[in-house]
Amino acid sequence: QSVLTQPPSASGTPGQRVTISCSGSSSNIGSNYVYWYQQLPGTAPKLLIYRNNQRPSGVPDRFSGSKSGTSASLAISGLRSEDEADYYCAAWDDSLSGRVVFGGGTKLTVL
Amino acid sequence: EVQLVQSGAEVKKPGESLKISCKGSGYSFTSYWIGWVRQMPGKGLEWMGIIYPGDSDTRYSPSFQGQVTISADKSISTAYLQWSSLKASDTAMYYCARGASGITIFAWFDPWGQGTLVTVSS
Repeated sequence: QSVLTQPPSASGTPGQRVTISCSGSSSNIGSNYVYWYQQLPGTAPKLLIYRNNQRPSGVPDRFSGSKSGTSASLAISGLRSEDEADYYCAAWDDSLSGRVVFGGGTKLTVL
Repeated sequence: EVQLVQSGAEVKKPGESLKISCKGSGYSFTSYWIGWVRQMPGKGLEWMGIIYPGDSDTRYSPSFQGQVTISADKSISTAYLQWSSLKASDTAMYYCARGASGITIFAWFDPWGQGTLVTVSS
C-alpha cells in the first residue's frame, strides 16, 4: 500500500488531454513539493515535473503539474503514442523521521 | 554530461552477500545526495534510502532500515548498496539516482542510473 495514491491506469486517444491524480496527506504533499516521473517500458525512470509544476529542460510543455492542498495532478495534453508509460508521483514525507514516498504508479495507455 | 553508471546484473543464492555500485560523473559527486530505489518485478518504485557523499550522512526508509547498507567512496565518486544475507524477496531492479544538492532532501531525482537487476534464487 503506497503512501501516495494514484489510479492504477489511465487511457486516452492521440491528441486528447489526460490527467493523473496523486493523493496524499498533510505530512507529504500538503507540506512539501511534488515530483513526477515517467518510466517508459524497460527503461529507468525520468524526472518529468519538479517542485509541483516545473519542467526540466527537454520536457515538452504538453506535460504540466499542479498541486492543491494534499493532492496533485499531472496533465498531458496533445497525447502521443510515445507517452505510453508508467507515471509516478513522489514527495518528501515528514513522518517517521522523514522519507521519500512514491505513488503506486499509473499505467497510461494510448488507444 | 551528468551520468550515473551502475554495476552489472547479479545472480546470487539466498544467504549470500552482495554489494552493487553506482558511479557518478560530470558533476561534483560530494555536493549532491544519491538515492537508491527498488522496483520489484512488475511493481512500482520504492525509496530505500539516501546518502550525502560529502559527509556520508545516510537516511533509510523504515522499510529498509537494517536490511541494507548504503555507503559511498567519494575518492572514486561511487555509491554502494549492500546486503549481508540475501533473500529471494530481494529479487528486483535497483536504481540509483542523483538527488538534490545541499542539506535538504527532496523527492527530486535526476538523472537515474540504468539499473542493476539482482536475482536471488537457489
